[in-house]
Amino acid sequence: KAGVTQTPRYLIKTRGQQVTLSCSPISGHRSVSWYQQTPGQGLQFLFEYFSETQRNKGNFPGRFSGRQFSNSRSEMNVSTLELGDSALYLCASSLDGLGYTFGSGTRLTVV
Amino acid sequence: AQKVTQAQTEISVVEKEDVTLDCVYETRDTTYYLFWYKQPPSGELVFLIRRNSFDEQNEISGRYSWNFQKSTSSFNFTITASQVVDSAVYFCALKGGGADGLTFGKGTHLIIQP
Repeated sequence: KAGVTQTPRYLIKTRGQQVTLSCSPISGHRSVSWYQQTPGQGLQFLFEYFSETQRNKGNFPGRFSGRQFSNSRSEMNVSTLELGDSALYLCASSLDGLGYTFGSGTRLTVV
Repeated sequence: AQKVTQAQTEISVVEKEDVTLDCVYETRDTTYYLFWYKQPPSGELVFLIRRNSFDEQNEISGRYSWNFQKSTSSFNFTITASQVVDSAVYFCALKGGGADGLTFGKGTHLIIQP
């Protein structure tokens, strides 16, 4: 079966712009969560969605937002990009909220 | 607050040596889950194992084994007879009983030299 698909794989944006990343979970998985990975802070939890509802959110500013659609696909949006937002953004899908399958990530570079 | 500590930033061994990656965690939850993930250079996190807080049995899967000890809040990972393909960054992670996401350690970069 298909894994977790994240698009695009690479992205370059300018400070002040906004960006939208997409994640398609494994078929049948209704939970999607997002993580940010940077060399300094490591892997940090952004938020988790289940059946179109945000269940929990990590300690990130309001510039980071997300949503989930009825087909379980999820998007995350970062507005007013800062240099520090450069990171690998990983999406994970889960059937039971305990087993997480990760995608290959979107590498965002802010210049 | 939950915390995962992987004190070993980088480990380098010669192929066929055994290597143990340490993981120490902190949580106030009585029900929690521990994970190990492998991250090759491609970036994808590959799931290796999940254990719940009520199951302290050690587990062996091929060359991989895990030692879970609640008394010391540790969940260590051993690779026996390491191979070059084992080279990657390995992350230990914790999930509490609530709806929180995974709390990851900083990772251990494992280098297996031929």
